Amino acid sequence: GAVVSQHPSWVICKSGTSVKIECRSLDFQATTMFWYRQFPKQSLMLMATSNEGSKATYEQGVEKDKFLINHASLTLSTLTVTSAHPEDSSFYICSAGGVADTQYFGPGTRLTVL
Amino acid sequence: ELKVEQNPLFLSMQEGKNYTIYCNYSTTSDRLYWYRQDPGKSLESLFVLLSNGAVKQEGRLMASLDTKARLSTLHITAAVHDLSATYFCASQETRGKLIFGQGTELSVKP
Repeated sequence: GAVVSQHPSWVICKSGTSVKIECRSLDFQATTMFWYRQFPKQSLMLMATSNEGSKATYEQGVEKDKFLINHASLTLSTLTVTSAHPEDSSFYICSAGGVADTQYFGPGTRLTVL
Repeated sequence: ELKVEQNPLFLSMQEGKNYTIYCNYSTTSDRLYWYRQDPGKSLESLFVLLSNGAVKQEGRLMASLDTKARLSTLHITAAVHDLSATYFCASQETRGKLIFGQGTELSVKP
């Protein structure tokens, strides 16, 4: 139980295009999902907290207009990187909040912007 | 602001040896988590520590929590090559937000 999937697992795009990443909780409902970004050899940094049916809460320094988050259902949150640039290349990991605030992590999406 | 600091950041061990990774956090926290990350992969949950004095063990890994000292430790006993990975601790604020340490890159050599 408590499986979280992400799609796609990797994506390569050209600079200036937008990329959407999906995060799904497969066997449980998650009112809260979290989006993290991890650069090579670095730790995970929380980008935003996504709440079903309401606006996401962004961490300081994260551009809400660039990283659009939608949490339209209890099993799906999406992160759209708009007008992507090479510096947005990173490993994006989502997690879904389960019982007693336990977080279940997705497998991650590797984004490469050319 | 809650900060989480790990040390060492890099650890090269010989098989069969013991070592400890330390995780200090700067404010009172509800919970402390330990994760393992293999290269190119996401996080694998190892332990969740919920209260002062909590100790959990799985195989060659043992984690403990001292909330008074704001310190958690991950002890490795008789290391084997399969334990080579990056280990993260994370402290959880209210409303579920996780703050991660820098990670400890562990390399176990024969």
